[in-house]
Amino acid sequence: DAGVIQSPRHEVTEMGQEVTLRCKPISGHDYLFWYRQTMMRGLELLIYFNNNVPIDDSGMPEDRFSAKMPNASFSTLKIQPSEPRDSAVYFCASSREGTQYFGPGTRLLVL
Amino acid sequence: AQSVTQPDIHITVSEGASLELRCNYSYGATPYLFWYVQSPGQGLQLLLKYFSGDTLVQGIKGFEAEFKRSQSSFNLRKPSVHWSDAAEYFCAVGTGSNDYKLSFGAGTTVTVRA
Repeated sequence: DAGVIQSPRHEVTEMGQEVTLRCKPISGHDYLFWYRQTMMRGLELLIYFNNNVPIDDSGMPEDRFSAKMPNASFSTLKIQPSEPRDSAVYFCASSREGTQYFGPGTRLLVL
Repeated sequence: AQSVTQPDIHITVSEGASLELRCNYSYGATPYLFWYVQSPGQGLQLLLKYFSGDTLVQGIKGFEAEFKRSQSSFNLRKPSVHWSDAAEYFCAVGTGSNDYKLSFGAGTTVTVRA
């Protein structure tokens, strides 16, 4: 299996622009998690899905952030409008039976 | 809610020496326990996990960890460290219930000196 796939790997954008991060989970996994990692706050869970349904979005920082999972093989995390404080590495992870496998991450820089 | 504490922020170890990273968790029942490693610029890679059974678990890259219920600990060990083990290590705990969320520790950075 190719593992969890994330795109893009790097994104540089200007404040106010819309940013869309993409994730393809491991085939057969029924949970998908979005995390954000920064030096200051460490690894934070933003939202997670079970069978494509959002279960807990309490970690989403504010309304500028949204996530969707239209099918079992694809999820997006969108930031609109982006701000410099959103600069971080965003990870997607998928899971089946309790073990999470992480993607390589998207390094986002908002200028 | 479950939580994890990694008491050591940074550890420096000589190549060839042994390594032990501490992890303490808080959870009322038997937890699911994990160790992940993150090399610079990379994602988190699963080293090993404990769900049940033998309390000493073996993982990849020569790592092992021992679950000690009485101490609420899940310490990670490696007998002989290689320079490539320099990375950040995260301990995580899950409840094993239907949500499969994990709580991560703050991480321990390991530096390996020649």
